[in-house]
Amino acid sequence: AQSVAQPEDQVNVAEGNPLTVKCTYSVSGNPYLFWYVQYPNRGLQFLLKYITGDNLVKGSYGFEAEFNKSQTSFHLKKPSALVSDSALYFCAVYNQGGKLIFGQGTELSVKP
Amino acid sequence: GAGVSQSPSNKVTEKGKDVELRCDPISGHTALYWYRQSLGQGLEFLIYFQGNSAPDKSGLPSDRFSAERTGGSVSTLTIQRTQQEDSAVYLCASSLREGTLYTIYFGEGSWLTVV
Repeated sequence: AQSVAQPEDQVNVAEGNPLTVKCTYSVSGNPYLFWYVQYPNRGLQFLLKYITGDNLVKGSYGFEAEFNKSQTSFHLKKPSALVSDSALYFCAVYNQGGKLIFGQGTELSVKP
Repeated sequence: GAGVSQSPSNKVTEKGKDVELRCDPISGHTALYWYRQSLGQGLEFLIYFQGNSAPDKSGLPSDRFSAERTGGSVSTLTIQRTQQEDSAVYLCASSLREGTLYTIYFGEGSWLTVV
C-alpha cells in the first residue's frame, strides 16, 4: 500500500533562515508525490508535485522539493522563511486507485 | 466559479440529526473527492467520483455516510443520525481528470460541529 510519513509534528524556524519539512514515502512502483499547505481555517492549497524527471521540483511561494529515490524522501524546502509561511504542511502520495493519501501534517512556525 | 465551492462553510447540528454538505467542483472537472479532517486524525479519504464510473466508497466510515453526484457536477455528502465523533472539517476536491498529470484542488471546507 502507498503511504507517506512526516516525522515531525512541528518545525520552528527563524525568519530569513532556510526551512525544511520532511517527508518519506513507501510505494510500490513509481512514486507520485505532492505537497499541500493549509493556512489557519482554510482549505488545502497545492504547492508542487513530482511525477517524473528532474529531482528538484519548484512550486508556489518560493518553495521547492527534492525527490531522493535512494532515501525514499521528498523534503520540502525554502531558502529563506517568511513569517507568512507559518501553516500546516501536508505531504501526499497518489494511490493508483485514483486518490491522494496524506501524511499527518507538519506545523511550521516561523518567528520574526 | 474559479475554485471548488463548498456550503455551508460552518454547520452546528444536534446529535441524531441528518446533515447535507454540498460541493460544487471547478467547471469541467470530472473527478471529485471528499476528505475528512479531524483533530489528531489527519486527512482521511471518504469517497471519490470519476466521470460515469462507479464511485470508490472505500473510505466511508459507516453506513450513516453517503454521497451522490448529480449530472456529473455538484456533489452532496449526507451524514445521517450524526454523532459527536462526526465533528470535523469536510473537504471537497476536484481535478480535471483522474491521473497524476492533473492537480487536485481543494475547497475551503465545511466545518461540522455536532453537539
